[in-house]
Amino acid sequence: GAGVSQSPSNKVTEKGKDVELRCDPISGHTALYWYRQSLGQGLEFLIYFQGNSAPDKSGLPSDRFSAERTGGSVSTLTIQRTQQEDSAVYLCASSSRLAGAYEQYFGPGTRLTVT
Amino acid sequence: KNQVEQSPQSLIILEGKNCTLQCNYTVSPFSNLRWYKQDTGRGPVSLTIMTFSENTKSNGRYTATLDADTKQSSLHITASQLSDSASYICVVGGGGNKLTFGTGTQLKVEL
Repeated sequence: GAGVSQSPSNKVTEKGKDVELRCDPISGHTALYWYRQSLGQGLEFLIYFQGNSAPDKSGLPSDRFSAERTGGSVSTLTIQRTQQEDSAVYLCASSSRLAGAYEQYFGPGTRLTVT
Repeated sequence: KNQVEQSPQSLIILEGKNCTLQCNYTVSPFSNLRWYKQDTGRGPVSLTIMTFSENTKSNGRYTATLDADTKQSSLHITASQLSDSASYICVVGGGGNKLTFGTGTQLKVEL
């Protein structure tokens, strides 16, 4: 596709439910990032995938958060037993050294609201 | 602790005027500094990326400067337009793939 896409664009869920957020990176991009943007806060790094290497999960805030990337392309971020503090915009970005060593292209985000 | 601080937090200017946004950082090691523009409800879009050896970079009406000695950067917007209304985020890349994001300056351009 032309850019990074994410779905759903908005998600409202009840506290305690599990949610899955999807990211489709730019075709051919080997690196994929997940970030969280809470109201009034800077973007917070969650997890990073690079090719077939083990992902960098150092930013995941708790074991309720997990992510996978299938076939080196699509990624899903799963939040189990959601809490109200999980409410935020979840942004995905992809990059490739062919596109510029430091350039990251962001998707539009998924706005998660936990009630 | 790595931090990126931006000022002002918000800014309102008249269309056609210039403005300068500031960014101070304490990130080590330092690899690169980026400015992003984020429209409401959209993901951030890159404006400029500068490495340690670069002290200025332009992208149309946007000009970023970097002083790696004082760990300061600025983003100058010339002849502002209504479409410049957005959040401008300063981001510093450190070791590996880690980025530290500022909280942004919310710019509003009015008629």
